[in-house]
Amino acid sequence: EADIYQTPRYLVIGTGKKITLECSQTMGHDKMYWYQQDPGMELHLIHYSYGVNSTEKGDLSSESTVSRIRTEHFPLTLESARPSHTSQYLCATQGTANTEAFFGQGTRLTVV
Amino acid sequence: SQQGEEDPQALSIQEGENATMNCSYKTSINNLQWYRQNSGRGLVHLILIRSNEREKHSGRLRVTLDTSKKSSSLLITASRAADTASYFCATVSPSGTYKYIFGTGTRLKVLA
Repeated sequence: EADIYQTPRYLVIGTGKKITLECSQTMGHDKMYWYQQDPGMELHLIHYSYGVNSTEKGDLSSESTVSRIRTEHFPLTLESARPSHTSQYLCATQGTANTEAFFGQGTRLTVV
Repeated sequence: SQQGEEDPQALSIQEGENATMNCSYKTSINNLQWYRQNSGRGLVHLILIRSNEREKHSGRLRVTLDTSKKSSSLLITASRAADTASYFCATVSPSGTYKYIFGTGTRLKVLA
């Protein structure tokens, strides 16, 4: 079983609040990814990182930001949550090139 | 737009029957992967097929790849109720960015 953890699993928060979604992995993988997925829909890449101090925006524009200060940690932050941010956020890692991705269980965010 | 599209979008079969789902993609790839997602959870890697491979087996799974048609199929034989999930294909381009591009998914329901 992959050692990648996301917290919290569920979060309901009011509009305007700042939130940070945590993603941690113990596999020592350099590559990490954040995906956004609405229920029953496809995954959209919103951020990725190839290692410490490396972050890039993904294919879907997102108001969130990420940081990669340590290899094992890739948190995602929303400075001011809005109802349009309601979605599931999935974190993933990859080891060597051209191998599979490992996913966390996801954080289901609801902004009211 | 997303790289992959899956067909059908939804599939409902009886336990014991075979399930086939297809994935089409748009650009050249290094490899293609299939993932499974149980409702509201993260994705789990099933099988990876490289661009120079045409067929691959893993237990009850059989994957084919036709790079000339830019398509792949996933066959699940002797399906079980526990196979009920969404199935996604993901492609990795040879450009070196290591980004996964996911398809739209097929929602499979296996009736007991």
